[in-house]
Amino acid sequence: QLVESGGGLVQPGRSLRLSCVAAGFTFDDYAMHWVREAPGKGLEWVSGISWNSGSTGYADSVKGRFTISRDNTKNSLYLQMDSLRLEDMALYYCAKDRGTTVTTSWGFDFWGQGTVVTVSS
Amino acid sequence: IQLTQSPSFLSASVGDRVTITCRASQDIRFYLAWYQKKPGKPPKPLIYAASTLQSGVPSRFSGSGSGTEFTLTISSLQPEDFATYYCQQVNSDHLTFGPGTKVDIK
Repeated sequence: QLVESGGGLVQPGRSLRLSCVAAGFTFDDYAMHWVREAPGKGLEWVSGISWNSGSTGYADSVKGRFTISRDNTKNSLYLQMDSLRLEDMALYYCAKDRGTTVTTSWGFDFWGQGTVVTVSS
Repeated sequence: IQLTQSPSFLSASVGDRVTITCRASQDIRFYLAWYQKKPGKPPKPLIYAASTLQSGVPSRFSGSGSGTEFTLTISSLQPEDFATYYCQQVNSDHLTFGPGTKVDIK
């Protein structure tokens, strides 16, 4: 089970931190990811992190503005989103990888229900 | 790595055989996954490693291909299969999804 939180209404240029708490599997055995779905658009991979935080990856659209992290002692995944833009408005999903690192991914086998981020002035 | 899907939309009837194609801009070997997406629900994993069926997914779903061309086939479309289908490449540290194929009722 993956449960996201932290979404909400934020002004352009401001920050927001998303969280995802995992249960039902050995969290620190797997890579984790954030994926978003903007209104009326398709799925977009945002960022991923390896099992031990040793490697991360970011979509070009968020690189330099978003930071992914995890705390394996709390079975938790985070996404720090800075300098938010209108185009960041979306439903953000937390997803579990079948593999251990971003570069050896086998795709995602569990997804949360998502948390909504609204960017508006 | 860019992914394209064809068709972007298809209209089909219950019982039809449906095939969706996903093409990659470069060789991704067999590092491709497929998902089913319905409104208001998170994506449901169907296939990974191009042709391995996710546990619990009906056998009417199948995947094939390698390199740059892949297909998702639904052998006999069921009412619950009307949805949008996405491919995803996992061959680099910049994972990407295809634009999606919406399967609608004829």
